[in-house]
Amino acid sequence: DAGVIQSPRHEVTEMGQEVTLRCKPISGHNSLFWYRQTMMRGLELLIYFNNNVPIDDSGMPEDRFSAKMPNASFSTLKIQPSEPRDSAVYFCASSSTQDSDTQYFGPGTRLTVL
Amino acid sequence: AQSVTQLGSHVSVSEGALVLLRCNYSSSVPPYLFWYVQYPNQGLQLLLKYTTGATLVKGINGFEAEFKKSETSFHLTKPSAHMSDAAEYFCAVILISGNQFYFGTGTSLTVIP
Repeated sequence: DAGVIQSPRHEVTEMGQEVTLRCKPISGHNSLFWYRQTMMRGLELLIYFNNNVPIDDSGMPEDRFSAKMPNASFSTLKIQPSEPRDSAVYFCASSSTQDSDTQYFGPGTRLTVL
Repeated sequence: AQSVTQLGSHVSVSEGALVLLRCNYSSSVPPYLFWYVQYPNQGLQLLLKYTTGATLVKGINGFEAEFKKSETSFHLTKPSAHMSDAAEYFCAVILISGNQFYFGTGTSLTVIP
């Protein structure tokens, strides 16, 4: 099993640019989670999907952030326009119905907004 | 409301010494409890979890944790630290009825040779 796949692993962009982070969950998993990790705030849940449907997006910081899950094997997190304070590591995680209490994390995308 | 408190953002131990990382939770209903480890530049990896049954849970790499309801604690231990244990450790809680994790702020473990 390839695990959760995230791309890109590193992204450096300039303030004001659009950034799109991508995630492929583990095959067969039906829940997907987006987290943000910073030194100041630790790990924060941004949004999670169940069967491709957004369930809770209360953690999304602003309207600049949006997430989609068009199918069971792909999700995106978009920031538009990006700001320096968005610099963080963004993790995607997935879980299955059979083992719904365990989330499997991807390697993360380190985003730097200059 | 649910929350997780990890006491000590940085812990240093000598190689071969006992590792003790503290985690206390607050939850209005019985939670499931987890410890994750994060090595530099990597994602989080599940170490162990408590859901039901035996309160002493054994995980990977020789780690174990004990769920103590009376103390609302789920401390992580390892009898003998190894250099490869140096990493960031996160305690997390999830309600039985939901699937939203609440993570602690993490404890950075340093192992001194």
